[in-house]
Amino acid sequence: DTAVSQTPKYLVTQMGNDKSIKCEQNLGHDTMYWYKQDSKKFLKIMFSYNNKELIINETVPNRFSPKSPDKAHLNLHINSLELGDSAVYFCASSLDAGGSPLHFGNGTRLTVT
Amino acid sequence: GENVEQHPSTLSVQEGDSAVIKCTYSDSASNYFPWYKQELGKGPQLIIDIRSNVGEKKDQRIAVTLNKTAKHFSLHITETQPEDSAVYFCAARGHRGSYIPTFGRGTSLIVHP
Repeated sequence: DTAVSQTPKYLVTQMGNDKSIKCEQNLGHDTMYWYKQDSKKFLKIMFSYNNKELIINETVPNRFSPKSPDKAHLNLHINSLELGDSAVYFCASSLDAGGSPLHFGNGTRLTVT
Repeated sequence: GENVEQHPSTLSVQEGDSAVIKCTYSDSASNYFPWYKQELGKGPQLIIDIRSNVGEKKDQRIAVTLNKTAKHFSLHITETQPEDSAVYFCAARGHRGSYIPTFGRGTSLIVHP
């Protein structure tokens, strides 16, 4: 019974390609997030959606486009991949946007060659 | 915005010893301080949290203390076990529109059997 599941777990691709990562939560939460974790383990917020509406959009390149078809899903599409996009991407959810605890997925390790 | 400093970056202890991880934050309006544990290949998991109206909270072998005046909070793990080995993140929730927590840079805890 995975609460926050993301696919794929590993993604290896070449520079210039376009790829997507999918995320689904079965917790009934209203708010979902994408975080990027770099090689030094630093966790950086990228986007947050509340009830399918974008509420946080940090200074992320336009090549990154989140999409939330419903409040249980938040997908991340990345265009024209660059070497610097290599990282682990975590999806997370929380009950609401008022600061309730985050529940993370197990991450997608993206390697751009 | 909020800034969270976390120390040490690496902590090595013998099984049975105690471990202490310290964090400081910059936004005096922050009122929620969660701690997350990230095991290898997994996403961060909430292990304990504390709110600003409380000075200390315990849950079995882990405890968190908060000093609002000094703007620092600490995680204490007693009687450490090898399965405590992981990366630990502190976070502080400042006053931003959607109450996204700001994470520290993580502490890699290694417990030697």
